[in-house]
Amino acid sequence: TQLLEQSPQFLSIQEGENLTVYCNSSSVFSSLQWYRQEPGEGPVLLVTVVTGGEVKKLKRLTFQFGDARKDSSLHITAAQPGDTGLYLCAGPDNYGQNFVFGPGTRLSVLP
Amino acid sequence: DAGVIQSPRHEVTEMGQEVTLRCKPISGHNSLFWYRQTMMRGLELLIYFNNNVPIDDSGMPEDRFSAKMPNASFSTLKIQPSEPRDSAVYFCASSLAPGSPPITEAFFGQGTRLTVV
Repeated sequence: TQLLEQSPQFLSIQEGENLTVYCNSSSVFSSLQWYRQEPGEGPVLLVTVVTGGEVKKLKRLTFQFGDARKDSSLHITAAQPGDTGLYLCAGPDNYGQNFVFGPGTRLSVLP
Repeated sequence: DAGVIQSPRHEVTEMGQEVTLRCKPISGHNSLFWYRQTMMRGLELLIYFNNNVPIDDSGMPEDRFSAKMPNASFSTLKIQPSEPRDSAVYFCASSLAPGSPPITEAFFGQGTRLTVV
């Protein structure tokens, strides 16, 4: 069974601080995705990483896929209150028919 | 495209009543997923369909839950009878088959917040 773990579970920081959240598995994934879910809404895709070692940047967000394709990280520089939300990592299962979701990191950025 | 459309957005019902949640996936998507989200358990997959066929319903909590996808543009999740512990946000998502290149994403609806009293 493919599982994704995320850490930390909760994170509360002040505006302007930097942070990193992690997504780990004992299984190899062909790709990993990061979603952000704001209160009262469904998750929305931020990025997909496909190649081991790949780094992608989305404004102040930097995503990295581990060399072995078993883990990924999300780094936010100079966090803003608008970054508040639940960050979920996900990947396709081995059969390519379903998504495996991690439990999420709940981020709160205080002004 | 309007995205994945779920209805109703909010539902309050009494214990024992039947509840039906509805979902219209994005046109052209061939996979549809029903999830339940709570603070305690996070996002749980209940069932998913591929080309309108249920593939895995092992996440459905018990026989009180049932899901149908009569055609490519409509799916329902029914709870009968409902219980207070069913209170949660239920999400529908659609996608092209996740493992098919190019890599695709899950598009989520806005969810239905169900409260069973």
